[in-house]
Amino acid sequence: ELKVEQNPLFLSMQEGKNYTIYCNYSTTSDRLYWYRQDPGKSLESLFVLLSNGAVKQEGRLMASLDTKARLSTLHITAAVHDLSATYFCAVDMKTSYGKLTFGQGTILTVHP
Amino acid sequence: DTGVSQDPRHKITKRGQNVTFRCDPISEHNRLYWYRQTLGQGPEFLTYFQNEAQLEKSRLLSDRFSAERPKGSFSTLEIQRTEQGDSAMYLCASSPQTGRSGSPLHFGNGTRLTVT
Repeated sequence: ELKVEQNPLFLSMQEGKNYTIYCNYSTTSDRLYWYRQDPGKSLESLFVLLSNGAVKQEGRLMASLDTKARLSTLHITAAVHDLSATYFCAVDMKTSYGKLTFGQGTILTVHP
Repeated sequence: DTGVSQDPRHKITKRGQNVTFRCDPISEHNRLYWYRQTLGQGPEFLTYFQNEAQLEKSRLLSDRFSAERPKGSFSTLEIQRTEQGDSAMYLCASSPQTGRSGSPLHFGNGTRLTVT
């Protein structure tokens, strides 16, 4: 059974600081996804990482993938209040594209 | 691209009643997925369709749940004899057929079900 674990589950940051969210998964996977969810809203796709060593950046967020370690990171640079949300990582397998297994989510709160 | 549309946004029902939700995917996407999300958790896979064919169902999907996608367009998810444990957000998503292009799943805004 594929398992995905995120840490931390809760993250309180000051504006301007940097931090990293970690996502570990239990078996070989072909794709790793990062999503953002605002309270009461649906999931917004941030990144899709397809291969070992993949790195993608959008604004203050940067995601990377190490398939050998079965680890992805989401790095936040110089946090701003607008980044406050819940962040999920998810993985699927080549044979089951779209059948995502999600982590528990990381609730990020950015304080002034 | 108008996005994935779900209806209704909220549904309150009494235990034992039947409910049906609708999902309209992005028009050029031939895959459609249903997920369920409870408070404080990540979404859990329920089932998915490729065109009109239902290709996989999770063991979470008891026999009280049924999903259809007639003509490969919109989909419906029906829950019969609802139980309080069915209270959750039901999310629909769509995608192109293959993940080789790195396409993410596009999620709708969900239907929040409350069973009293």
